[in-house]
Amino acid sequence: GAVVSQHPSWVICKSGTSVKIECRSLDFQATTMFWYRQFPKQSLMLMATSNEGSKATYEQGVEKDKFLINHASLTLSTLTVTSAHPEDSSFYICSASSRRNTEAFFGQGTRLTVV
Amino acid sequence: KQEVTQIPAALSVPEGENLVLNCSFTDSAIYNLQWFRQDPGKGLTSLLLIQSSQREQTSGRLNASLDKSSGRSTLYIAASQPGDSATYLCAVKDTGGFKTIFGAGTRLFVKA
Repeated sequence: GAVVSQHPSWVICKSGTSVKIECRSLDFQATTMFWYRQFPKQSLMLMATSNEGSKATYEQGVEKDKFLINHASLTLSTLTVTSAHPEDSSFYICSASSRRNTEAFFGQGTRLTVV
Repeated sequence: KQEVTQIPAALSVPEGENLVLNCSFTDSAIYNLQWFRQDPGKGLTSLLLIQSSQREQTSGRLNASLDKSSGRSTLYIAASQPGDSATYLCAVKDTGGFKTIFGAGTRLFVKA
């Protein structure tokens, strides 16, 4: 299957700072990327959908000003957690598709800890 | 709005037992259904992908079926091993927003 690389795999930051997570499709062009969040012992919850060159569509309850998503190219999407707080500590996973109706491939996830 | 439910939430079985994990979804308008494995603190490992036009997929000791009309899928694991212990997630890609929606998962523990 196709490869999606997510970086960093883990990060610890101080409360109030911002953290950027990158998601790259290494061997295909990703027209659509998705960002998920997973709290301990819970399932993956979709945060937002981003299409290359356009604004992300956020799920209900997700603050778009706090979780900034940029999908400027067909191989890269970034999620920036702004003014992070301890309650933002979670496992964040991205996925990418080459076309809207095809299989989505997942990154390995980023564990964010805000102290 | 698509909802995915997995039963049971947790399962503990002795090694060697065959087992079935269940997944149901509320909207049959899907492109595909995928089963994943997730180990504690780790990312997702894709196990099987079933396109909406397919009825089942097999990989080694794993077999997944799909009944789109009734909104159900099952993951069959034959001759379970302690190494199969993990959380198994079912996810559907729906045609509405092309999103992949996950179930809550089944936590499996296989005792040696």
